[in-house]
Amino acid sequence: EAGVAQSPRYKIIEKRQSVAFWCNPISGHATLYWYQQILGQGPKLLIQFQNNGVVDDSQLPKDRFSAERLKGVDSTLKIQPAKLEDSAVYLCASSLGLRGGLHEQFFGPGTRLTVL
Amino acid sequence: EDKVVQSPLSLVVHEGDTVTLNCSYEVTNFRSLLWYKQEKKAPTFLFMLTSSGIEKKSGRLSSILDKKELFSILNITATQTGDSAIYLCAFMEYGNKLVFGAGTILRVKS
Repeated sequence: EAGVAQSPRYKIIEKRQSVAFWCNPISGHATLYWYQQILGQGPKLLIQFQNNGVVDDSQLPKDRFSAERLKGVDSTLKIQPAKLEDSAVYLCASSLGLRGGLHEQFFGPGTRLTVL
Repeated sequence: EDKVVQSPLSLVVHEGDTVTLNCSYEVTNFRSLLWYKQEKKAPTFLFMLTSSGIEKKSGRLSSILDKKELFSILNITATQTGDSAIYLCAFMEYGNKLVFGAGTILRVKS
Protein backbone atom coordinates (compact mmCIF):
# COMPACT_ATOMS: atom_id res chain seq x y z
CA GLU A 1 0.00 0.00 0.00
CA ALA A 2 1.48 3.34 -1.03
CA GLY A 3 1.88 5.90 1.74
CA VAL A 4 1.08 9.58 1.86
CA ALA A 5 2.98 11.45 -0.85
CA GLN A 6 4.13 15.05 -0.53
CA SER A 7 6.07 17.41 -2.75
CA PRO A 8 8.36 19.20 -2.84
CA ARG A 9 10.53 17.77 -0.08
CA TYR A 10 12.43 21.02 0.42
CA LYS A 11 11.73 24.63 -0.48
CA ILE A 12 13.71 27.80 0.14
CA ILE A 13 12.05 31.14 -0.56
CA GLU A 14 12.45 34.76 0.44
CA LYS A 15 9.97 36.48 2.69
CA ARG A 16 6.92 37.90 0.94
CA GLN A 17 7.15 35.25 -1.78
CA SER A 18 4.46 32.61 -2.34
CA VAL A 19 4.79 28.87 -2.02
CA ALA A 20 2.54 25.84 -2.52
CA PHE A 21 2.73 22.31 -1.19
CA TRP A 22 1.02 19.24 -2.58
CA CYS A 23 -0.24 16.12 -0.82
CA ASN A 24 -1.71 12.86 -2.10
CA PRO A 25 -3.23 10.77 0.72
CA ILE A 26 -3.46 7.02 1.01
CA SER A 27 -6.07 5.66 -1.39
CA GLY A 28 -9.48 5.44 0.22
CA HIS A 29 -8.70 7.77 3.11
CA ALA A 30 -11.50 10.28 3.49
CA THR A 31 -9.81 12.56 6.00
CA LEU A 32 -6.77 14.68 5.20
CA TYR A 33 -4.81 16.89 7.59
CA TRP A 34 -2.15 19.55 7.21
CA TYR A 35 0.19 20.14 10.16
CA GLN A 36 2.92 22.70 10.76
CA GLN A 37 5.91 21.51 12.80
CA ILE A 38 8.30 24.23 13.96
CA LEU A 39 11.72 23.07 15.08
CA GLY A 40 11.61 21.77 18.65
CA GLN A 41 7.83 21.53 18.76
CA GLY A 42 5.22 18.91 18.03
CA PRO A 43 3.07 19.12 14.89
CA LYS A 44 0.24 21.64 15.08
CA LEU A 45 -2.94 21.08 13.08
CA LEU A 46 -3.61 23.76 10.46
CA ILE A 47 -6.60 22.32 8.64
CA GLN A 48 -8.62 19.10 8.47
CA PHE A 49 -10.68 17.98 5.46
CA GLN A 50 -13.36 15.31 5.37
CA ASN A 51 -13.61 14.40 1.67
CA ASN A 52 -13.62 17.85 0.03
CA GLY A 53 -15.14 19.74 2.97
CA VAL A 54 -13.31 21.61 5.72
CA VAL A 55 -13.90 20.16 9.20
CA ASP A 56 -11.54 22.35 11.22
CA ASP A 57 -9.44 25.32 10.14
CA SER A 58 -9.45 27.16 13.44
CA GLN A 59 -5.65 27.36 13.63
CA LEU A 60 -5.04 28.27 10.00
CA PRO A 61 -3.73 31.86 9.61
CA LYS A 62 -6.27 32.69 6.95
CA ASP A 63 -4.74 36.05 6.05
CA ARG A 64 -1.85 34.24 4.39
CA PHE A 65 -2.57 30.50 4.34
CA SER A 66 -5.09 28.71 2.17
CA ALA A 67 -5.80 25.08 1.40
CA GLU A 68 -8.07 23.15 -0.88
CA ARG A 69 -9.05 19.60 -1.63
CA LEU A 70 -11.28 20.09 -4.63
CA LYS A 71 -11.97 16.51 -5.68
CA GLY A 72 -11.72 14.96 -2.26
CA VAL A 73 -8.41 13.28 -2.99
CA ASP A 74 -5.19 15.31 -3.21
CA SER A 75 -4.74 18.68 -1.57
CA THR A 76 -2.64 21.82 -1.84
CA LEU A 77 -1.58 24.21 0.91
CA LYS A 78 -0.49 27.71 -0.08
CA ILE A 79 1.26 30.49 1.78
CA GLN A 80 1.05 33.99 0.33
CA PRO A 81 3.00 36.02 1.32
CA ALA A 82 5.46 34.01 3.43
CA LYS A 83 6.97 35.35 6.66
CA LEU A 84 10.16 34.32 8.41
CA GLU A 85 8.15 32.56 11.13
CA ASP A 86 6.60 30.24 8.54
CA SER A 87 9.88 28.32 8.38
CA ALA A 88 8.86 24.83 9.44
CA VAL A 89 8.13 21.32 8.21
CA TYR A 90 4.66 21.00 6.71
CA LEU A 91 3.27 17.53 7.23
CA CYS A 92 0.29 16.01 5.49
CA ALA A 93 -1.55 13.09 7.07
CA SER A 94 -4.56 10.99 6.18
CA SER A 95 -6.89 8.57 7.93
CA LEU A 96 -9.84 6.41 7.02
CA GLY A 97 -12.18 8.90 8.63
CA LEU A 98 -15.18 6.64 9.01
CA ARG A 99 -17.91 8.30 11.03
CA GLY A 100 -17.49 7.58 14.74
CA GLY A 101 -14.38 5.52 14.18
CA LEU A 102 -11.04 5.85 15.90
CA HIS A 103 -8.41 5.77 13.19
CA GLU A 104 -4.72 6.47 13.39
CA GLN A 105 -3.28 9.10 11.10
CA PHE A 106 -0.57 8.21 8.60
CA PHE A 107 1.93 10.93 7.83
CA GLY A 108 3.78 11.87 4.69
CA PRO A 109 7.51 12.73 4.60
CA GLY A 110 6.84 16.45 4.93
CA THR A 111 8.03 19.56 3.13
CA ARG A 112 10.78 21.51 4.86
CA LEU A 113 10.23 25.22 4.18
CA THR A 114 12.94 27.80 4.83
CA VAL A 115 11.97 31.46 4.54
CA LEU A 116 14.94 33.84 4.24
CA GLU B 1 -6.68 25.08 27.11
CA ASP B 2 -5.99 21.50 26.08
CA LYS B 3 -2.35 20.53 26.38
CA VAL B 4 0.10 17.65 26.32
CA VAL B 5 3.34 17.70 28.31
CA GLN B 6 6.10 15.21 27.64
CA SER B 7 9.09 14.46 29.80
CA PRO B 8 11.98 14.33 29.75
CA LEU B 9 12.65 16.72 26.86
CA SER B 10 15.67 14.64 25.92
CA LEU B 11 17.78 11.81 27.19
CA VAL B 12 20.85 9.85 26.24
CA VAL B 13 21.19 6.17 27.11
CA HIS B 14 23.45 3.30 26.19
CA GLU B 15 22.44 0.32 24.11
CA GLY B 16 20.69 -2.27 26.22
CA ASP B 17 19.25 0.24 28.68
CA THR B 18 15.53 0.47 29.41
CA VAL B 19 13.85 3.86 29.05
CA THR B 20 10.51 5.24 30.15
CA LEU B 21 8.99 8.24 28.41
CA ASN B 22 6.20 10.19 30.06
CA CYS B 23 3.17 11.98 28.67
CA SER B 24 0.62 13.90 30.74
CA TYR B 25 -2.40 15.65 29.32
CA GLU B 26 -5.21 18.01 30.12
CA VAL B 27 -8.03 17.74 27.68
CA THR B 28 -11.74 18.43 27.55
CA ASN B 29 -12.90 15.87 25.00
CA PHE B 30 -10.58 12.89 25.18
CA ARG B 31 -11.01 10.01 22.74
CA SER B 32 -7.64 8.31 22.69
CA LEU B 33 -3.92 8.80 23.19
CA LEU B 34 -1.39 8.01 20.49
CA TRP B 35 2.36 7.55 20.38
CA TYR B 36 4.44 8.24 17.27
CA LYS B 37 8.14 7.81 16.48
CA GLN B 38 9.71 10.53 14.35
CA GLU B 39 13.10 10.09 12.78
CA LYS B 40 14.24 12.41 10.03
CA LYS B 41 10.97 12.19 8.20
CA ALA B 42 7.37 11.28 8.79
CA PRO B 43 6.06 10.39 12.26
CA THR B 44 5.29 6.69 12.26
CA PHE B 45 2.44 5.29 14.32
CA LEU B 46 3.30 3.18 17.37
CA PHE B 47 0.24 2.81 19.61
CA MET B 48 -3.29 4.02 20.15
CA LEU B 49 -4.61 3.76 23.72
CA THR B 50 -8.23 4.21 24.68
CA SER B 51 -8.68 2.22 27.90
CA SER B 52 -6.95 2.62 31.23
CA GLY B 53 -4.64 -0.06 32.54
CA ILE B 54 -4.41 -2.15 29.38
CA GLU B 55 -0.85 -2.47 28.19
CA LYS B 56 -0.17 -2.44 24.48
CA LYS B 57 2.99 -4.17 23.34
CA SER B 58 4.98 -4.36 20.14
CA GLY B 59 8.32 -6.07 20.36
CA ARG B 60 10.50 -4.13 22.78
CA LEU B 61 8.03 -1.26 23.02
CA SER B 62 5.05 -1.11 25.34
CA SER B 63 2.67 1.58 26.49
CA ILE B 64 -0.08 2.06 29.03
CA LEU B 65 -2.66 4.73 29.77
CA ASP B 66 -4.00 5.99 33.10
CA LYS B 67 -7.17 7.99 32.44
CA LYS B 68 -7.69 8.79 36.10
CA GLU B 69 -4.27 10.41 36.56
CA LEU B 70 -4.21 11.65 32.94
CA PHE B 71 -0.92 10.24 31.81
CA SER B 72 0.68 7.61 29.64
CA ILE B 73 4.10 6.02 29.53
CA LEU B 74 6.08 4.48 26.70
CA ASN B 75 8.67 1.88 27.65
CA ILE B 76 11.50 0.69 25.47
CA THR B 77 13.53 -2.26 26.71
CA ALA B 78 16.95 -3.36 25.47
CA THR B 79 17.37 -0.14 23.52
CA GLN B 80 19.20 -0.14 20.19
CA THR B 81 20.78 2.69 18.21
CA GLY B 82 17.85 2.43 15.80
CA ASP B 83 15.56 3.57 18.59
CA SER B 84 17.15 7.02 18.44
CA ALA B 85 14.35 9.36 17.42
CA ILE B 86 11.83 11.88 18.68
CA TYR B 87 8.90 10.22 20.41
CA LEU B 88 5.67 12.18 20.11
CA CYS B 89 2.61 11.78 22.28
CA ALA B 90 -0.76 13.12 21.12
CA PHE B 91 -4.33 12.95 22.28
CA MET B 92 -7.23 12.64 19.92
CA GLU B 93 -10.24 14.86 20.44
CA TYR B 94 -13.73 14.36 19.09
CA GLY B 95 -13.49 14.99 15.37
CA ASN B 96 -10.26 12.96 15.36
CA LYS B 97 -8.10 16.06 15.74
CA LEU B 98 -4.66 15.30 17.22
CA VAL B 99 -2.98 17.63 19.73
CA PHE B 100 0.71 16.83 20.08
CA GLY B 101 3.25 17.33 22.81
CA ALA B 102 6.68 18.73 22.01
CA GLY B 103 8.24 15.28 22.01
CA THR B 104 11.10 13.52 23.80
CA ILE B 105 14.42 13.30 21.96
CA LEU B 106 16.00 9.91 22.61
CA ARG B 107 19.58 9.17 21.69
CA VAL B 108 20.92 5.66 22.12
CA LYS B 109 24.69 5.41 22.16
CA SER B 110 26.50 2.25 21.05
